[in-house]
Amino acid sequence: DQQVKQNSPSLSVQEGRISILNCDYTNSMFDYFLWYKKYPAEGPTFLISISSIKDKNEDGRFTVFLNKSAKHLSLHIVPSQPGDSAVYFCAASDLNTGNQFYFGTGTSLTVIP
Amino acid sequence: ETGVTQTPRHLVMGMTNKKSLKCEQHLGHNAMYWYKQSAKKPLELMFVYNFKEQTENNSVPSRFSPECPNSSHLFLHLHTLQPEDSALYLCASSQTQGKPGNTIYFGEGSWLTVV
Repeated sequence: DQQVKQNSPSLSVQEGRISILNCDYTNSMFDYFLWYKKYPAEGPTFLISISSIKDKNEDGRFTVFLNKSAKHLSLHIVPSQPGDSAVYFCAASDLNTGNQFYFGTGTSLTVIP
Repeated sequence: ETGVTQTPRHLVMGMTNKKSLKCEQHLGHNAMYWYKQSAKKPLELMFVYNFKEQTENNSVPSRFSPECPNSSHLFLHLHTLQPEDSALYLCASSQTQGKPGNTIYFGEGSWLTVV
C-alpha cells in the first residue's frame, strides 16, 4: 500500500501566481519530509525538507508546510516561474528505523508564461 | 559535475544479455541506493547499502544483482531481464541513516530498455 500519496498528477499555474503542491502520508511514524524536483531525462534534485518538530520551512520562493494531525504537507512556490515547470515528488522517512525514503507518484507542474 | 554520476545514461539490452549499471558518488556519503522509476508509479526502492553492507532488499527479483565494493561505488548487474523491467534506474546516496537532515541525492538515472 502506498504510504505517500500525491493525488494531483498535474497542475497548471500562471507565471507570477502561487503554486501549491500537496502530499498526504499514512504512516504516523514519518518524521522527516522532503520535496524533489525532476526535469525530463534527469534525476530528481533536492528542493527543501522539513522535520516533524516544525510546521513550516522556507527557502527563498519555496515554503513547505507540515500538518502532522492531518498527515499532510504542501509545497508553496511564490511567485511561480516558467523554469519551475517540472515534476515534483514528496518523500517521507522515519529517521528512527533507517534510511528508507518513501516517495509519492509526483505532480507535474506547468507554469504558463 | 553532479555529486552522483551514473553510467550508462541509456541502455538497450536483449532478454538474454548481461549488462551492468554503474554509480559513483563524490559526496563522501555512507549510504547508497538503487531506485526504479516506471511510468506513473512512485519511485520504488530496490536496494540500500550502508557502509558497503546491504541493509535493504525490497523483494527485488534475483535477475537484479547489486554490488557495492566501497562506499563510493554501486553497481546493478542485470541478467535475463524482462520487457517490463524497462524503466529509469536511479542511484542515490545519503550521509547516513537515522539522522535529521539526512537528505538523499540522486544521479541522473540510467534509462533501460529491454527488448
